[in-house]
Amino acid sequence: NAGVTQTPKFRILKIGQSMTLQCTQDMNHNYMYWYRQDPGMGLKLIYYSVGAGITDKGEVPNGYNVSRSTTEDFPLRLELAAPSQTSVYFCASSSGIVNSPLHFGNGTRLTVT
Amino acid sequence: SQELEQSPQSLIVQEGKNLTINCTSSKTLYGLYWYKQKYGEGLIFLMMLQKGGEEKSHEKITAKLDEKKQQSSLHITASQPSHAGIYLCGARRPASGSARQLTFGSGTQLTVLP
Repeated sequence: NAGVTQTPKFRILKIGQSMTLQCTQDMNHNYMYWYRQDPGMGLKLIYYSVGAGITDKGEVPNGYNVSRSTTEDFPLRLELAAPSQTSVYFCASSSGIVNSPLHFGNGTRLTVT
Repeated sequence: SQELEQSPQSLIVQEGKNLTINCTSSKTLYGLYWYKQKYGEGLIFLMMLQKGGEEKSHEKITAKLDEKKQQSSLHITASQPSHAGIYLCGARRPASGSARQLTFGSGTQLTVLP
């Protein structure tokens, strides 16, 4: 069972470069999320989507963009990468049913130098 | 200060020992989720607690919810090296208008010495 798949696993960017973190899920979940995890800071919500064509900002959206053209895919775009975006990024999905858990991908470790 | 405070931040125990991790919320809890994370991997869902006094177990891991104290505890009995990792608690925000997202604590790093 694939679940939530993230690519790439690792990436090093130079300041000012752009990139897209890919996320796809095969569970037919309507709800999808992007979190970033910094050491000692837990996970912070960047963007989320409640269905295809619908996205909304989370707690820390600045410097990122998302799109949701299909139920399966929820890519995260970094424009003009900055050192503050060095982090581990997690994509998650859920069915949206009350009390249902979030299912997480294995993360993308991004370094911006 | 964090909305969800976990304690301790890190814990080192000898294999076979029992341990407890706490998660305290500064806001009303509508659902409390426990996850485990191994280095380089994603978060694995352990269990979810909703009602005050509720207690759930998964193998040797037991979680309880004290609704009045807005606190949950995770207890591991007879710890094993396989229990090592980061344990995170996550809280669900009110259902109306939300996208069921979770707010997370900063995690507890558990090391189990063989």
